[in-house]
Amino acid sequence: QVQLVDSGGGVVQPGGSLRLSCVMSGFTLRSFGMHWVRQAPGKGLEWLAFLQHDGTNQYYADSVKGRFTISRDTSKNTLYLQMNSLRLEDTAVYFCAKEKVGSVSILDHWGQGTLVSVAS
Amino acid sequence: SSGLTQDPAVSVALGQTVRITCQGASLRNYFATWYQQKSGRAPILVVYGKNNRPSGIPDRFSGATTGDTASLTITGAQAEDEAHYYCNSRDTSGNHVLFGGGTLLTVL
Repeated sequence: QVQLVDSGGGVVQPGGSLRLSCVMSGFTLRSFGMHWVRQAPGKGLEWLAFLQHDGTNQYYADSVKGRFTISRDTSKNTLYLQMNSLRLEDTAVYFCAKEKVGSVSILDHWGQGTLVSVAS
Repeated sequence: SSGLTQDPAVSVALGQTVRITCQGASLRNYFATWYQQKSGRAPILVVYGKNNRPSGIPDRFSGATTGDTASLTITGAQAEDEAHYYCNSRDTSGNHVLFGGGTLLTVL
């Protein structure tokens, strides 16, 4: 059974850093591309980043490029999102999501989300 | 616009049919994918590709595309279908992913 568990959220000051984790079970991380998506309070879904299944390429939304880094540890079957230079507008629930094999924009399993609050 | 556009809200009477649309240039090259999100929960995949449903999604959910507009149709809407629905696709470059702004479906 596929399961994704997000963690690492919390309260951080503007300019600070945070690392989110997504621990996966029921499938091998090496075989699937992975995404991070966020949702600000009362708003819609915003795609943030994608890591290809072979780990060679990463893609980012303009809103986070240069500040956020997506990575993985295949030995731990864990996906990460390193978030630096955090801004008030980064406050949101962050979800990791798995691509349906070979289909980048089909996100067939999602984590439960972890809340990041950027506040002074 | 390089994004995906959805109507913010749609309503349907219980048992009737409703169509939720998603418009964008990228849909001329890539199929839309549809997600359902209920309050406080993670999204779940409901329709993908030409018109496919994951196991466990009722067959009253279906998808179609004409030109630059994709649609999600619920035939015989049920009370439990009340939720936000989001479309997504690759962007025109193929390297990024877009989400529509979401449509709140109310079942009356």
